[in-house]
Amino acid sequence: EADIYQTPRYLVIGTGKKITLECSQTMGHDKMYWYQQDPGMELHLIHYSYGVNSTEKGDLSSESTVSRIRTEHFPLTLESARPSHTSQYLCASSERGHGETQYFGPGTRLLVL
Amino acid sequence: GESVGLHLPTLSVQEGDNSIINCAYSNSASDYFIWYKQESGKGPQFIIDIRSNMDKRQGQRVTVLLNKTVKHLSLQIAATQPGDSAVYFCAETGGYSTLTFGKGTMLLVSP
Repeated sequence: EADIYQTPRYLVIGTGKKITLECSQTMGHDKMYWYQQDPGMELHLIHYSYGVNSTEKGDLSSESTVSRIRTEHFPLTLESARPSHTSQYLCASSERGHGETQYFGPGTRLLVL
Repeated sequence: GESVGLHLPTLSVQEGDNSIINCAYSNSASDYFIWYKQESGKGPQFIIDIRSNMDKRQGQRVTVLLNKTVKHLSLQIAATQPGDSAVYFCAETGGYSTLTFGKGTMLLVSP
């Protein structure tokens, strides 16, 4: 069982609001990831981190930003939410190295009105 | 944003049957592959993985087969149970790149 947590699980918010999605893991994993997933669709990588003070953009263009000040914490921020941001956001982590299994959190389902 | 009205490939089986879910990948440099199971409202859950130096790996009731010649991966589930109903994703990676996920297959198991 993976020890990776996301809050909130569900969020309904109005257009223009700033939001932060939280992700924490207690496994001491160096690498962390954020994915966006629309219903019934594949996962798209939007941000990842190799470790503290490391952040990289993923394959999918995103208007969000991330930070990695502590190993266990990898929050994702939307400065100004729009209806097009409505989706599910999944956080994952893995050990350092190539080909390490990623463990996922339960996800945050975001609805922007 | 949201995309509605799109349908996943779906495999419907009877309880107790064996299930085979297929995945084609395009990157010939990929050398590590994972199958994930995603139940409704949850994040993906690791099932089994395989590295490119193997062509078969078995777990509990699951087997992954890798055919590098045709870039094909399959997941076999023995004696499928209603609790196996979920969406199954394959994922691949090569070098030190990140995982690339496939489109997913919905498995429906009827009693």
